[in-house]
Amino acid sequence: DTGVSQDPRHKITKRGQNVTFRCDPISEHNRLYWYRQTLGQGPEFLTYFQNEAQLEKSRLLSDRFSAERPKGSFSTLEIQRTEQGDSAMYLCASSRTSGPSYNEQFFGPGTRLTVL
Amino acid sequence: KNEVEQSPQNLTAQEGEFITINCSYSVGISALHWLQQHPGGGIVSLFMLSSGKKKHGRLIATINIQEKHSSLHITASHPRDSAVYICAVREDNYGQNFVFGPGTRLSVLP
Repeated sequence: DTGVSQDPRHKITKRGQNVTFRCDPISEHNRLYWYRQTLGQGPEFLTYFQNEAQLEKSRLLSDRFSAERPKGSFSTLEIQRTEQGDSAMYLCASSRTSGPSYNEQFFGPGTRLTVL
Repeated sequence: KNEVEQSPQNLTAQEGEFITINCSYSVGISALHWLQQHPGGGIVSLFMLSSGKKKHGRLIATINIQEKHSSLHITASHPRDSAVYICAVREDNYGQNFVFGPGTRLSVLP
């Protein structure tokens, strides 16, 4: 499968715990995006990378959230000291900056986080 | 006021009907995405367009940049088209992230 993959698909945690999610983009895609989606709403942008550089961060991204893409391939999103309001679907997408379908975003299946 | 609005919010149709979902936005954009989200969360890109019209199978997307409006049409609708359809725009001169509409939930009944 050459699509975007995310791991885990589901995560249940207790308030105050730290969680980390992983996203593996399509291999030739140099841009990677993280979004958060709550029930009944459209996704909200969190951050994006071009290669290993984090180029944009939303104001939604509090200091409890950190994202990395150390080698320009997979990315991790960590949430520290989780709160119940962090419960959401976390979506990853990737795109390329040239060639066929450039700038078109391809989405992963998401990681559903439930904070108890 | 949300930057991206969609109508209708919910839509129920009979199999075979022609369906139109509308998206309007309030900012200058460089691109607009139509996405399909199935129950369980998976999102599939249907179209990305910045002008004119695109067609893929039974799906047609149009955009009017001057009116800041786009439509997604589904011809000969089928129950497997049941999903949430999301419009997303990339604002002019505002990086690469997309701003998403709230989605339109479509149910096509057999």
